[in-house]
Amino acid sequence: GQNIDQPTEMTATEGAIVQINCTYQTSGFNGLFWYQQHAGEAPTFLSYNVLDGLEEKGRFSSFLSRSKGYSYLLLKELQMKDSASYLCACMDSNYQLIWGAGTKLIIKP
Amino acid sequence: SAVISQKPSRDICQRGTSLTIQCQVDSQVTMMFWYRQQPGQSLTLIATANQGSEATYESGFVIDKFPISRPNLTFSTLTVSNMSPEDSSIYLCSVAAGESDASEQYFGPGTRLTVT
Repeated sequence: GQNIDQPTEMTATEGAIVQINCTYQTSGFNGLFWYQQHAGEAPTFLSYNVLDGLEEKGRFSSFLSRSKGYSYLLLKELQMKDSASYLCACMDSNYQLIWGAGTKLIIKP
Repeated sequence: SAVISQKPSRDICQRGTSLTIQCQVDSQVTMMFWYRQQPGQSLTLIATANQGSEATYESGFVIDKFPISRPNLTFSTLTVSNMSPEDSSIYLCSVAAGESDASEQYFGPGTRLTVT
């Protein structure tokens, strides 16, 4: 079956760095997405990886290893506003998104 | 990026009734999707709304329970029929950002439904 695994919750300190991991098992692969979702709001797109390696976008970076079925989202210089859930989603061979349950990130001062 | 609005933003409904949720996009889009999200859970795709043809439903979802309309490229509705408390959830519409099958999606603000 298809499966996305990511930690349920993580805690980090303001100004620090945090890495949120995601492992996936899907039938085929057409890319991996990361979304941010603040409580009570809709998800917003953060990043897309389809090739191995690191994609950097400001304070956020996303990494992909297709051979390991693994991705991570790296958040640097954490701010209180980064407190949110981070959703990993993998696009399978039918271009359908398979969603993880999300990682709730709590930022402490 | 597309701007998406949904109506209503929230509703409390009685068991056995139906609610129609509207999704409006500020530009023409090919792919529109309807999701359900329980608190603290992942997004579950209900169906893909196709313009000019019937929606494509995912396993576990049927047209009689969740009829969908897509009259044009900027608008869609999802009806939750004969509601039960198990239908209490957040319902989200989304659109694909581009024409590529691998495009990211933009989401509407969601409709929070409570069934009593």
